[in-house]
Amino acid sequence: AQSVTQLGSHVSVSEGALVLLRCNYSSSVPPYLFWYVQYPNQGLQLLLKYTTGATLVKGINGFEAEFKKSETSFHLTKPSAHMSDAAEYFCAVRKSNTGNQFYFGTGTSLTVIP
Amino acid sequence: DSGVTQTPKHLITATGQRVTLRCSPRSGDLSVYWYQQSLDQGLQFLIQYYNGEERAKGNILERFSAQQFPDLHSELNLSSLELGDSALYFCASSPSPPRPEAFFGQGTRLTVV
Repeated sequence: AQSVTQLGSHVSVSEGALVLLRCNYSSSVPPYLFWYVQYPNQGLQLLLKYTTGATLVKGINGFEAEFKKSETSFHLTKPSAHMSDAAEYFCAVRKSNTGNQFYFGTGTSLTVIP
Repeated sequence: DSGVTQTPKHLITATGQRVTLRCSPRSGDLSVYWYQQSLDQGLQFLIQYYNGEERAKGNILERFSAQQFPDLHSELNLSSLELGDSALYFCASSPSPPRPEAFFGQGTRLTVV
């Protein structure tokens, strides 16, 4: 079975500071990896995804994530936090793109301090 | 806008009642997923349909059922509702391979009183 672990259910950063949200996964094969963002009272929005190829993936709103197979990690970063980045962030894994379900982490709530 | 439409947005109902949540996936997406999100349980996978067939089942209660119709829209039926069923219910759809991502609707907030 696959699982996703997000370290830190709550992360606070100052505006302009580096954002680092951690995600580790367990999988017997290299999976597809995703980060989603959820703003209050809204659905989940895809930030970025890793499928194959380049391990550093760039997404929307200045976010990027790096797939590290040796560490089974897919941490999300952004060089400079904005107030608008305050939201819940979910890491997810999918074993293949042919019908398998998505496994989500428990989420990390990001607070940006002015 | 993800292209996934869920109705209704809000639903308030009494314990013991039955409700139906509706989801229209993005045009052309064959896979539909249902998730339940609550404060204490997080995002829980309920069930997946692919082109009308049940593909995977998660933590879905026996009181809950779903189906996907020939036009690919899906419905989640919740019956004998309990207070603990109050949650956000999300539908997501996924494109055909090779794209692996899922797109989520805005959710239906169910409140059981």
